[in-house]
Amino acid sequence: DVKVTQSSRYLVKRTGEKVFLECVQDMDHENMFWYRQDPGLGLRLIYFSYDVKMKEKGDIPEGYSVSREKKERFSLILESASTNQTSMYLCASSLRDVRTDTQYFGPGTRLTVL
Amino acid sequence: EDKVVQSPLSLVVHEGDTVTLNCSYEVTNFRSLLWYKQEKKAPTFLFMLTSSGIEKKSGRLSSILDKKELFSILNITATQTGDSAVYLCAGRGAGGGADGLTFGKGTHLIIQP
Repeated sequence: DVKVTQSSRYLVKRTGEKVFLECVQDMDHENMFWYRQDPGLGLRLIYFSYDVKMKEKGDIPEGYSVSREKKERFSLILESASTNQTSMYLCASSLRDVRTDTQYFGPGTRLTVL
Repeated sequence: EDKVVQSPLSLVVHEGDTVTLNCSYEVTNFRSLLWYKQEKKAPTFLFMLTSSGIEKKSGRLSSILDKKELFSILNITATQTGDSAVYLCAGRGAGGGADGLTFGKGTHLIIQP
C-alpha cells in the first residue's frame, strides 16, 4: 500500500509567521507534489519535484517555496504566512514511469492563518 | 491553458439509483484522464483512462473515455450512502502545471437513504 503522510492535520498560524508543511512517502516515488484545495477553485498545483533537489513551479507558486533534500520528503514553506493562504494543503506522490500517472495523496493539512 | 470541467457540480439521489458524472477536458498533448473520490480527507484514486472506448470497471463503478469528443463519464450503479463524496476528474498532458495534471472542480454526490 502506498503511504503518504503529512506532518499535521490541522495548523493555526499568525500572519507573518514562517510555516513548514512536511510530506513523507514510503514508496520510493520520484515525483512529489503540493496542491492547495479551496471551495469553488478545486485542486491547484503549487510546486512539484521530480527528483531530489529538483523543483518546478506549478500554477500558483507565489508566496511559497519548497525543499526536497531526500527522496521521500517534500516540504512546503510559507516564508511569511498571509490570510489568503488559509486552505487545505494536499501532498501527493507518483512514479516517474510514464505508463502510470496515478498520484497518491496524503491526508491533507488544514492551515488557518489568522 | 488546460481546462477540465465537471458536471453536474452537485447531485442528490436516492440509494439504489444509478448516477452518471461527466468530465470534459481540453488538455495539451493529452496522455490520460484520472478519476478520484474524495470524502472528508485526501482524494483516493479510482481509475486512469488512456484509450478511447475501453471501459474500466471496479465493482459498481465504471468509467469510459472518448478521446474524439474529449470527455469521460463515471458511472455508479446501485448507489449506497457510502458513495457520497466529491468525485474529481483530472487530465494529464504535456502542458498544464508542471507535471501536467489539471483538476476539475469536482462533483459533489449525495446519496440519500
